[in-house]
Amino acid sequence: DAGVIQSPRHEVTEMGQEVTLRCKPISGHNSLFWYRQTMMRGLELLIYFNNNVPIDDSGMPEDRFSAKMPNASFSTLKIQPSEPRDSAVYFCASSFGSGGETQYFGPGTRLLVL
Amino acid sequence: SQQGEEDPQALSIQEGENATMNCSYKTSINNLQWYRQNSGRGLVHLILIRSNEREKHSGRLRVTLDTSKKSSSLLITASRAADTASYFCATDAVDNNDMRFGAGTRLTVKP
Repeated sequence: DAGVIQSPRHEVTEMGQEVTLRCKPISGHNSLFWYRQTMMRGLELLIYFNNNVPIDDSGMPEDRFSAKMPNASFSTLKIQPSEPRDSAVYFCASSFGSGGETQYFGPGTRLLVL
Repeated sequence: SQQGEEDPQALSIQEGENATMNCSYKTSINNLQWYRQNSGRGLVHLILIRSNEREKHSGRLRVTLDTSKKSSSLLITASRAADTASYFCATDAVDNNDMRFGAGTRLTVKP
C-alpha cells in the first residue's frame, strides 16, 4: 500500500499566484482531511470530507481557500490568490469510517509564498 | 480550534529513561489518540484509547485515560534516541465529527 500521496512535495510561488495542492487517499478510505501546520499555530484542521462530501470546513481561513473532492481517490486544496502568510506545511490524511478514527497522514506539501 | 493541550511543551531526557507526556482536553470524547511526528514528516498514529478504557499498552508505550479529569498520559519506557520526535494527542469529541490536535510535546532523547 502506497499510503496517502501528496503532490507536490515542495512549492515555492510568488504572492498573488494560484496554488493547487493534490492528495490521493488510501484506497478504501472514505474520510479525507486537509491540515495546515505552522510553528505559530500548530496543526490546524482546514476541512474534512466524508464520502466525498465536505462535512466541516470551519477551519478554512478565508475565501481564498477552496477544496474539492471530485471522487473517492482524489482531492485538491486551492489557494487563490496566495499570500506570504499562507506559507506552511499542508498535510492530507485519510481514514476509514467517521472522522474520529485513526488517520493516516501523507508526507505533506511544504509551501513557501514569497 | 485545538481541543487537546499537551504538557510539557518540550522534554529532554537521557536514553534509557522514561518519558511521560500529558494531554488535557475540554469536552466529552469518544476516543483519544496519540500521534508521533518526526521532523519534516507527516504524523504517524501510535495508539487509540476509547472513552470506556482506562489504560492501554503497545510495546514500550503505555497510555492512560482519566475521563473525570479530562486528561491522558503517554509513557514511553526505556527511551531511545530514535524516539526523538514531537508527540501529539488528538481527541474525537462527542459533539464533533472530526479530531482536534494539540500543540504537541517536543521530546529529545539524548544518546
